[in-house]
Amino acid sequence: NAGVTQTPKFQVLKTGQSMTLQCAQDMNHEYMSWYRQDPGMGLRLIHYSVGAGITDQGEVPNGYNVSRSTTEDFPLRLLSAAPSQTSVYFCASSYEGRGETQYFGPGTRLLVL
Amino acid sequence: TQLLEQSPQFLSIQEGENLTVYCNSSSVFSSLQWYRQEPGEGPVLLVTVVTGGEVKKLKRLTFQFGDARKDSSLHITAAQPGDTGLYLCAGVYGYGKLTFGQGTILTVHP
Repeated sequence: NAGVTQTPKFQVLKTGQSMTLQCAQDMNHEYMSWYRQDPGMGLRLIHYSVGAGITDQGEVPNGYNVSRSTTEDFPLRLLSAAPSQTSVYFCASSYEGRGETQYFGPGTRLLVL
Repeated sequence: TQLLEQSPQFLSIQEGENLTVYCNSSSVFSSLQWYRQEPGEGPVLLVTVVTGGEVKKLKRLTFQFGDARKDSSLHITAAQPGDTGLYLCAGVYGYGKLTFGQGTILTVHP
């Protein structure tokens, strides 16, 4: 199993550009989520999904969109990038989301100029 | 928003010393998890504590969940350079939502 994969690893955007961060898992997990990690702030939940077709907002959802058309994929879309979205983004998945082990991807480093 | 205060933010110690990292909140969590993160990688789960007062040991690491399920601690005995890394606590609430502490950057010098 590849686990949780994320692409790209690095990305530089200009303010106002849009892009999609890809996340895929091959463990047949129902629960997937997106976090951003900033220095001194730990990880903050952006959006999460409890299954295909079901998504909900986390702690910091503004400026981001998600969709979950399949169990395997959970892309994160930045509609109009802002410098405040410069961060490291992590995707995670777990079997059901009831506090069991969450598996994190390797992260995407995003710089918005 | 559930808040989790983690301390200290930075810890620099010599090999063989003991250390404790604390995680405190005014909120009750259904469980609490501790993660370790290496540079350039995602966090990896070390342990989940579920019951108030629970103590779990993982080799030289001891994890404790407070009686009221609002706080937790990680104690490392005889730290080694291989313990160097970022340690994160995360409180589980709602349906699988995690709220993370700010993290503790641990450096163990040989």
